[in-house]
Amino acid sequence: EAAVTQSPRNKVAVTGGKVTLSCNQTNNHNNMYWYRQDTGHGLRLIHYSYGAGSTEKGDIPDGYKASRPSQENFSLILELATPSQTSVYFCASGAGTISNERLFFGHGTKLSVL
Amino acid sequence: AQKVTQTQTSISVMEKTTVTMDCVYETQDSSYFLFWYKQTASGEIVFLIRQDSYKKENATVGHYSLNFQKPKSSIGLIITATQIEDSAVYFCAMREVASSGSWQLIFGSGTQLTVMP
Repeated sequence: EAAVTQSPRNKVAVTGGKVTLSCNQTNNHNNMYWYRQDTGHGLRLIHYSYGAGSTEKGDIPDGYKASRPSQENFSLILELATPSQTSVYFCASGAGTISNERLFFGHGTKLSVL
Repeated sequence: AQKVTQTQTSISVMEKTTVTMDCVYETQDSSYFLFWYKQTASGEIVFLIRQDSYKKENATVGHYSLNFQKPKSSIGLIITATQIEDSAVYFCAMREVASSGSWQLIFGSGTQLTVMP
């Protein structure tokens, strides 16, 4: 079973501060994703990557940056955190092939921006 | 742009009964892939079942099955003989391919299922 590990599990940040959420996967998946989950909106895609060195904007990228320095690691960066970014963030990975398209999710990071 | 809509915010059923959760989607693609994921109370999100649009047979995995109605752009999730542990939030999702060739999942807003003893 693919393993996706997020850190930290919980984070309290101050408005205007920088926040980095980290994600590590051990199954050598090409694709990695960052979603946020808010009540009434389900999961919304922020950024994704299809390999080391690549990042792509998802549906709601404003206020976020992403970094994929290696196949295993994918970070989400909030340069200037705002209270509206208080949410639960999920990282996911996937092989990216039609025959094996399921995503594997981390356990989530609960971020509170005060 | 593709869109996935789940109109049922929450459903409550008695244990051992059958429940259907609705999902409709919008796509311009002739071939597409649909998924259902489950989020437990602990927050864990796991893949349940998948339907490929070119397949006429409805997918079935364990006590999960799909009701795929292509003309209606509908993919319902059916859970038979529900158990207390089926209580969770269920997300419908569709695969979308970006211009770069990579793909992403577009999720619906989810349906909270409560199974009562």
